[in-house]
Amino acid sequence: GAVVSQHPSWVICKSGTSVKIECRSLDFQATTMFWYRQFPKQSLMLMATSNEGSKATYEQGVEKDKFLINHASLTLSTLTVTSAHPEDSSFYICSARPSGVGTGELFFGEGSRLTVL
Amino acid sequence: GENVEQHPSTLSVQEGDSAVIKCTYSDSASNYFPWYKQELGKRPQLIIDIRSNVGEKKDQRIAVTLNKTAKHFSLHITETQPEDSAVYFCAAVGRLGNTPLVFGKGTRLSVIA
Repeated sequence: GAVVSQHPSWVICKSGTSVKIECRSLDFQATTMFWYRQFPKQSLMLMATSNEGSKATYEQGVEKDKFLINHASLTLSTLTVTSAHPEDSSFYICSARPSGVGTGELFFGEGSRLTVL
Repeated sequence: GENVEQHPSTLSVQEGDSAVIKCTYSDSASNYFPWYKQELGKRPQLIIDIRSNVGEKKDQRIAVTLNKTAKHFSLHITETQPEDSAVYFCAAVGRLGNTPLVFGKGTRLSVIA
């Protein structure tokens, strides 16, 4: 199946700093990528839809100025958590679906566990 | 938008028994229904999916049924094994392409040896 790579897999940072997470589709092109957040023992909640070459679409309650998304190419989307605070500590997972007609399956990155001290 | 409800939130079964997880969805336009298994600290893995043009799909010990009229779909795991223990998520999506999956809240399955 298609491969989505996410980096870093875990990161610890101090409160107030910014953290960048990369999501790459390794063997397919993705016009659209999705960023989910998962708190402990909870489900995956969609944060935003990343669109190549245009602005991301954010879900209600997600601050676009805090969670900066850049989708500069058909294989790379980045999520930057700016001025991170302890409440931002979570498991962030990106996902992508190959462009064009396909099965509909969504492929996930490995996830990035962010801990803000 | 789509809303997916999943039950039960936790499920414990004896090894060898069957496990059933049920989901309902709200958007009648949804036409793709995947199920994911997530082990602790890892990414979700697709285990089976079904499209709206079929009512049932089976893959070895795993099967999924879909009732479009009632807008519900179920995951059936037979002959459960300890390695089936994980969190299972159902999801639904309508138009493909740039439409995200909407997930249920998850079911924590424990298979007791």
